[in-house]
Amino acid sequence: AQSVTQPDIHITVSEGASLELRCNYSYGATPYLFWYVQSPGQGLQLLLKYFSGDTLVQGIKGFEAEFKRSQSSFNLRKPSVHWSDAAEYFCAVSVNYGGSQGNLIFGKGTKLSVKP
Amino acid sequence: DTGVSQNPRHKITKRGQNVTFRCDPISEHNRLYWYRQTLGQGPEFLTYFQNEAQLEKSRLLSDRFSAERPKGSFSTLEIQRTEQGDSAMYLCASSGRTGSYGMNTEAFFGQGTRLTVV
Repeated sequence: AQSVTQPDIHITVSEGASLELRCNYSYGATPYLFWYVQSPGQGLQLLLKYFSGDTLVQGIKGFEAEFKRSQSSFNLRKPSVHWSDAAEYFCAVSVNYGGSQGNLIFGKGTKLSVKP
Repeated sequence: DTGVSQNPRHKITKRGQNVTFRCDPISEHNRLYWYRQTLGQGPEFLTYFQNEAQLEKSRLLSDRFSAERPKGSFSTLEIQRTEQGDSAMYLCASSGRTGSYGMNTEAFFGQGTRLTVV
């Protein structure tokens, strides 16, 4: 069965430090992979997505992610974290019914705290 | 377009009562999704519509849950005989096609309806 694992429940980094959030997936076919961010009491906003091609994808707010098929991973990175990045981050894989990108399996999320 | 809109934002109900939530998707989107998110968990897929047709339902969607999208625009999610375990955030999302090649877009999420069953 398809699944997404985010091994880190909570991460704290200092403002200006680099960030890497881990995501591993289990999916039989070529995955469509996503990272979403959720601020408290809000819905989810898409940061970036991977379908095919270049395995390093750029997203909004200075985030990037690298797809590694051999490791079944899609880790999210940012070179310098800002206090406004504090939020919960979700990795997801699309089950892709007929090209739909909305049938998603999410990980449990990683909560990011930023120290001043 | 102001994005996906969900109403109400918060709902407190007594156990055993029925509740209904509404979702207005982005107007040109033909696909609509419902998710449930409990504390400390990621969103879990409940059901999916393409236009007015309900194409997929999760096993999480018990017979107390029903979703409709009668004219292929807004959708409602009804929970009958609510239980305390139904307390959660209910998220709606929509996606559609864009550009001259009709590429599918990613899912855009609303802010959710937080249900508390007391």
